[in-house]
Amino acid sequence: EVQMLESGGGLVQPGGSLRLSCAASGFTFTNYAVNWVRQAPGRGLEWVAGVTGSGANTFYGDSVRGRFTISRDNSKNTVYLQMSRLRAEDTAIYYCAKEVLSTSKGSFDEWGQGTKVTVSS
Amino acid sequence: QSALTQPPSASGSPGQSVTISCTGTRGDVGGYNYVSWYRQHPGKAPKLIIYEVTKRPSGVPDRFSGAKSGNTASLTVSGLQAEDEAEYYCSSYGGSNNVIFGGGTKVTVL
Repeated sequence: EVQMLESGGGLVQPGGSLRLSCAASGFTFTNYAVNWVRQAPGRGLEWVAGVTGSGANTFYGDSVRGRFTISRDNSKNTVYLQMSRLRAEDTAIYYCAKEVLSTSKGSFDEWGQGTKVTVSS
Repeated sequence: QSALTQPPSASGSPGQSVTISCTGTRGDVGGYNYVSWYRQHPGKAPKLIIYEVTKRPSGVPDRFSGAKSGNTASLTVSGLQAEDEAEYYCSSYGGSNNVIFGGGTKVTVL
């Protein structure tokens, strides 16, 4: 059974930093890109960042580029999202999600339960 | 890039069909066959129901079908059931390793 388990969310002040983790199991981890998608309270889904299976390539949405860094440790089957210079508008539930195929682009078949990030003073 | 455009709401009676549209541009929906659809119940993570425009992941019933014409994709849910009442989101690959979501459509089963 595939599992994606996020952790690391919490309350942080504007301008602060936070690191989210996504522990994956149940599939050949290195074969699949993993992405972060967020959902602000009462709002829709927003793609945040993605990393290829090898970790060699990373991609970012416009709203987080330059502030967030995605990475993965394939020895631990874990993907990270380092968030810095946080703003109130980064407040959201953050989901990690796996691509449905090794060749797919932007189709996420397995999602975690989400971790809540609140940016507030 | 701007979000894809979805109608805010749609509805149908049990057993009927409902179709949701998702409009983008040549730079996303129209340019790639990487349109996906998700169903999300309140407080839950999204669930993939269609990928690559028409494909269904294993376990998704054939009541769900996807299509695309030009810059507009669509999702049809046939044989509406109570469990289909949820928010539905489309997404598309937008080029340059970018993914764009639609604003969501709330489907109500009357």
